[in-house]
Amino acid sequence: AQSVTQLDSQVPVFEEAPVELRCNYSSSVSVYLFWYVQYPNQGLQLLLKYLSGSTLVKGINGFEAEFNKSQTSFHLRKPSVHISDTAEYFCAPLVGKYIFGTGTRLKVLA
Amino acid sequence: EAQVTQNPRYLITVTGKKLTVTCSQNMNHEYMSWYRQDPGLGLRQIYYSMNVEVTDKGDVPEGYKVSRKEKRNFPLILESPSPNQTSLYFCASRPLDRNNSPLHFGNGTRLTVT
Repeated sequence: AQSVTQLDSQVPVFEEAPVELRCNYSSSVSVYLFWYVQYPNQGLQLLLKYLSGSTLVKGINGFEAEFNKSQTSFHLRKPSVHISDTAEYFCAPLVGKYIFGTGTRLKVLA
Repeated sequence: EAQVTQNPRYLITVTGKKLTVTCSQNMNHEYMSWYRQDPGLGLRQIYYSMNVEVTDKGDVPEGYKVSRKEKRNFPLILESPSPNQTSLYFCASRPLDRNNSPLHFGNGTRLTVT
């Protein structure tokens, strides 16, 4: 069975500091990997996706993620966060259907 | 503007009173889906539809109904709501011309059942 784990439910970080949000998945078949972001009182929107090719993918707002097949991970990173990055982030492998992680709340502190 | 529209945004009701949450998309997407979001549980799929008149159960379908009479609309029906259905609900859609297309989400409906 396919599953996804977001190890951190909450991540506080100071403005302009780097951040990494972790995501691990398990799947016996190839997957497509997505990160979605949910800003307060809004729906989810696509942040970035890995379909094939280069394992480092770049998304909106300066975020990037690296696909690591051997570690079955797809961690999300940003070198310098802004207050406006405060949101909940969901990792979502697509294996026939989307499987959403439990989310990581990123809180950027001034 | 391409969008998924849900109504209402907020709804408070009492146990047993039937309600419908509407969802409409203007992107001609074949696939539509309903999710509920609960703290610590992420998004769980309730029902989905691959096209008109084709619907299937997701992971948590109990207590819900859906219909897909037109391509653009996918209402979620709670025939007899109960307090454990208090949640944040999202409708989403995507095209099926590619098997890796992203989901487009509505802004959510926060439902409280007392």
